[in-house]
Amino acid sequence: EAGVAQSPRYKIIEKRQSVAFWCNPISGHATLYWYQQILGQGPKLLIQFQNNGVVDDSQLPKDRFSAERLKGVDSTLKIQPAKLEDSAVYLCASRRPGKGAGETQYFGPGTRLLVL
Amino acid sequence: SQQGEEDPQALSIQEGENATMNCSYKTSINNLQWYRQNSGRGLVHLILIRSNEREKHSGRLRVTLDTSKKSSSLLITASRAADTASYFCATDMGGSNYKLTFGKGTLLTVNP
Repeated sequence: EAGVAQSPRYKIIEKRQSVAFWCNPISGHATLYWYQQILGQGPKLLIQFQNNGVVDDSQLPKDRFSAERLKGVDSTLKIQPAKLEDSAVYLCASRRPGKGAGETQYFGPGTRLLVL
Repeated sequence: SQQGEEDPQALSIQEGENATMNCSYKTSINNLQWYRQNSGRGLVHLILIRSNEREKHSGRLRVTLDTSKKSSSLLITASRAADTASYFCATDMGGSNYKLTFGKGTLLTVNP
């Protein structure tokens, strides 16, 4: 099966600009996650979708970050305006429904963002 | 917040040697998972161990879990240069969300 697709792979912007990332999960995976991974750290969950509904966005900085998954398939994550500390890799992951195999997550290659 | 803490932060070994990484966590879990991340790439799931399991094997990987000590270890036997990567433990505390909390990772370097 095709993996999780993300674009762009790299993005360089100046602070206060806006940026958007796109993710297309594995077909049939109802759950989609966005993570932020700062250099030298593990991924931190930003937001979790179940189909097109938000399950958990408790760690999303809502004053500048937004995300949507309008049709329950692909998703976009936006930052507006960007700050220097937003420089990180943004990872998208998806999970199939149910227990067992549904407990593992499949990750995309990530988008590496550099804010100057 | 990070639930798991890996130890050591970095590990350098020679090809053919075994590599052991440890993970400690703070709260009760439903399962614990290990993921690998090659430089500049996404994470790949390696193995999952449930809270009622003590040991699990997959190829050259062996994972142990001690819930009384809230710790896990990942052993990679007969390491290869291709095993060079960062290794993360992730804990699932249960519930229907299947939410994972990752540690900071161990950077493993296998020298040819």
